[in-house]
Amino acid sequence: DAGVIQSPRHEVTEMGQEVTLRCKPISGHDYLFWYRQTMMRGLELLIYFNNNVPIDDSGMPEDRFSAKMPNASFSTLKIQPSEPRDSAVYFCASSFDTPSPLHFGNGTRLTVT
Amino acid sequence: EDKVVQSPLSLVVHEGDTVTLNCSYEVTNFRSLLWYKQEKKAPTFLFMLTSSGIEKKSGRLSSILDKKELFSILNITATQTGDSAIYLCALTYSGAGSYQLTFGKGTKLSVIP
Repeated sequence: DAGVIQSPRHEVTEMGQEVTLRCKPISGHDYLFWYRQTMMRGLELLIYFNNNVPIDDSGMPEDRFSAKMPNASFSTLKIQPSEPRDSAVYFCASSFDTPSPLHFGNGTRLTVT
Repeated sequence: EDKVVQSPLSLVVHEGDTVTLNCSYEVTNFRSLLWYKQEKKAPTFLFMLTSSGIEKKSGRLSSILDKKELFSILNITATQTGDSAIYLCALTYSGAGSYQLTFGKGTKLSVIP
């Protein structure tokens, strides 16, 4: 089991650019979660999917953020246009069921200058 | 307002000490409470506590859940420098028609030799 795989590990971009973060969940896990972590706000849930369908996107900060899950093995989180306040570590996590423990990827550290 | 409150925010102890980390919560439709350890990268799962499993133990770590008083504690005995990490408490519950999972802001534990 390779675990949850995220790419890239680090992303540095300029304000206004589009950023795409990628995630491959653990095979067989029906739930996929996107989290953002900052010192000030801790871990915040952005959106989660069940069987590739978005269930709750109330944590998505604004229309600049969008997420897709075209199939059971891949999800993207896109920010367009990016802003400096989007700088954070973005984690993807998956779980077999609810309320099963989440398995986290190693995160993408995003820096927007 | 925060549904999950952890205390203390940070803690410094010497090797061999025993520590107790606190997590209080306030939700209806509780489903489970989870503890995670986060070192430099992704949070890793420690325990899950539910109505049917209110006490867990693994080696030097143990946790209990008090559903009446709405809190949980994580105990670490004979601490080691490798226990230095951020410990996160997470709550799962049913709300707004969907499954919800919220993290506290964490307790940063530093164990010094």
